[in-house]
Amino acid sequence: DIQMTQSPSTLSASVGDRVTISCRASQNIYTWLAWYQQKPGKAPNLLIYKASNLQSGVPSRFNGSGSGTEFTLTISSLQPDDFATYCCQQYNSFPITFGQGTRLEI
Amino acid sequence: QVQLQESGPGLVKPSETLSLTCTVSGGSMSSYYWSWIRQPPGKGLEWIGYIYYNGSTNYNPSLKSRVTISVDTSKNQFSLNLSSATAADTAVYYCARDRAFHVYWGQGSLVTVSS
Repeated sequence: DIQMTQSPSTLSASVGDRVTISCRASQNIYTWLAWYQQKPGKAPNLLIYKASNLQSGVPSRFNGSGSGTEFTLTISSLQPDDFATYCCQQYNSFPITFGQGTRLEI
Repeated sequence: QVQLQESGPGLVKPSETLSLTCTVSGGSMSSYYWSWIRQPPGKGLEWIGYIYYNGSTNYNPSLKSRVTISVDTSKNQFSLNLSSATAADTAVYYCARDRAFHVYWGQGSLVTVSS
């Protein structure tokens, strides 16, 4: 199985900050990576697919980059609604695997 | 707008079979893959498996011996059976459309395995 490792596990930030979350794959997944936002008690919400493609309806302050084994999710200017947990997911090969999540807190 | 809704018992006894159904509305099941994903309390997401509308399946090897996913397109439903449940299977179970990344998700169904 491909292991997905996110860092940091928890990130403290303020409204207006620029933040970056990292995701590392244990082997080459090309650009077959998605990012999700999840709020307590809710299903994940797709933000980014194929490493850098913004899902329809997602604000442009969210940006994904990377390829191979190193990926990043950047939020350019944090808004109050952005405080949530973010996770990456590889879909290069089965079984699909997810990162453990990064909790973004005030 | 496609909507998915999980349903099933919220409490399952150890060694029994955990069964959930996902009802799809707002669109056809044809030509799509349908997935199950779970999330233990306070933990990350785990992919369980998927089924194509024609019935072909792919399961997570870590669960393969205990998992069965089936589909009934006439009812716009697909189902998950997980046999020999243990406390480690306690989780929120999500159904979702597609087999790669997921735009459409159910709201999630908490299943607790306990006597």
